[in-house]
Amino acid sequence: TQLLEQSPQFLSIQEGENLTVYCNSSSVFSSLQWYRQEPGEGPVLLVTVVTGGEVKKLKRLTFQFGDARKDSSLHITAAQPGDTGLYLCAARPDSWGKLQFGAGTQVVVTP
Amino acid sequence: EPEVTQTPSHQVTQMGQEVILRCVPISNHLYFYWYRQILGQKVEFLVSFYNNEISEKSEIFDDQFSVERPDGSNFTLKIRSTKLEDSAMYFCASKRGAANSPLHFGNGTRLTVT
Repeated sequence: TQLLEQSPQFLSIQEGENLTVYCNSSSVFSSLQWYRQEPGEGPVLLVTVVTGGEVKKLKRLTFQFGDARKDSSLHITAAQPGDTGLYLCAARPDSWGKLQFGAGTQVVVTP
Repeated sequence: EPEVTQTPSHQVTQMGQEVILRCVPISNHLYFYWYRQILGQKVEFLVSFYNNEISEKSEIFDDQFSVERPDGSNFTLKIRSTKLEDSAMYFCASKRGAANSPLHFGNGTRLTVT
């Protein structure tokens, strides 16, 4: 069973600052997904990365999949209070396997 | 945009009672899942369901748990005799079926066992 480790566990920053959160494992993944979860709601998909070295951008969010497909990062530029939430990475060991989640990084952006 | 819907949003039950959590997955999706999240802990996989049968289950999904797709739209999770440690948010998810396709989650049912 692969273990997804997310760091940091908690991040509090001021509006306008940049931040990066990380998702690491010793296992190789077929794909990796980032979700955001707000209190009382289910995880909402942000992005799926499949190819080693892949970089995807979603407005101010930049996602990168490691060359070896074992790790990923999420970078937020000029964070806004609306970016506050629990950021979860999730991955499968193969294309059809179960999706397993990391413990998440709680991001708080204060005005 | 189509979404996964779950009912009820909150269920309170006494230890030892049976509960049924209900989900309506997105209509053209073929794969269905239940996950749970104990307060303050990570989202944990329980079971996946495809073609009217369980395709994979975790060690959490013991004999007290069962899933069913009684008709073309509903997907249920039953816990036969609830325990205090079953208290958690239970999320239903579905996906269309392509390899590596993302899961779409409902907003969950908060189960409180007293």
